[in-house]
Amino acid sequence: GAVVSQHPSWVICKSGTSVKIECRSLDFQATTMFWYRQFPKQSLMLMATSNEGSKATYEQGVEKDKFLINHASLTLSTLTVTSAHPEDSSFYICSAREPGLRYEQYFGPGTRLTVT
Amino acid sequence: AQKVTQAQTEISVVEKEDVTLDCVYETRDTTYYLFWYKQPPSGELVFLIRRNSFDEQNEISGRYSWNFQKSTSSFNFTITASQVVDSAVYFCALSEATGGGFKTIFGAGTRLFVKA
Repeated sequence: GAVVSQHPSWVICKSGTSVKIECRSLDFQATTMFWYRQFPKQSLMLMATSNEGSKATYEQGVEKDKFLINHASLTLSTLTVTSAHPEDSSFYICSAREPGLRYEQYFGPGTRLTVT
Repeated sequence: AQKVTQAQTEISVVEKEDVTLDCVYETRDTTYYLFWYKQPPSGELVFLIRRNSFDEQNEISGRYSWNFQKSTSSFNFTITASQVVDSAVYFCALSEATGGGFKTIFGAGTRLFVKA
């Protein structure tokens, strides 16, 4: 099956710094990628949808300037948490969709971000 | 607007018991997809099943079975003869068409504890 990787799997950063998380589709080209955030013992909340070569579409309530998403190639999307604060500590999960399979998503293993 | 409700927050059973996880959804679309995912403590989502709105046939896969009823907008998941390894959080998800693509939202999840 299709594989999606995320890097890093976990990261600790200091408050005020920026952190970049990568999401890669390893064996397929993903025209669409999604970013989710999951707080402890809560559900996955969709943050944004990114399409290769265009600007990401953010869900209501998600700050575009804080969570920068770049989908520069068909196999890579990045999420940068800018000026991180402790409340940004969360589990970030990406997923990728193959062209033509509008309903199928393949999820990455997630990145645990801790802001101190 | 799409919505997924998993009313059971936590369920605790003893090994070998059968357990059913409930999922009720709301959608205005006639074409949509329903999913179940398992999230073990590692955090990585494990895909269990996908059902499209035109296929109400129930499915059995080993100890797992799913009951899809459009009349009640439900997509329930039963684990027969539960095992300790089934302990995890289970998410029901709904994907419906939006702006040319499909967006997936998740229910709140049901945390299943299987005791030996």
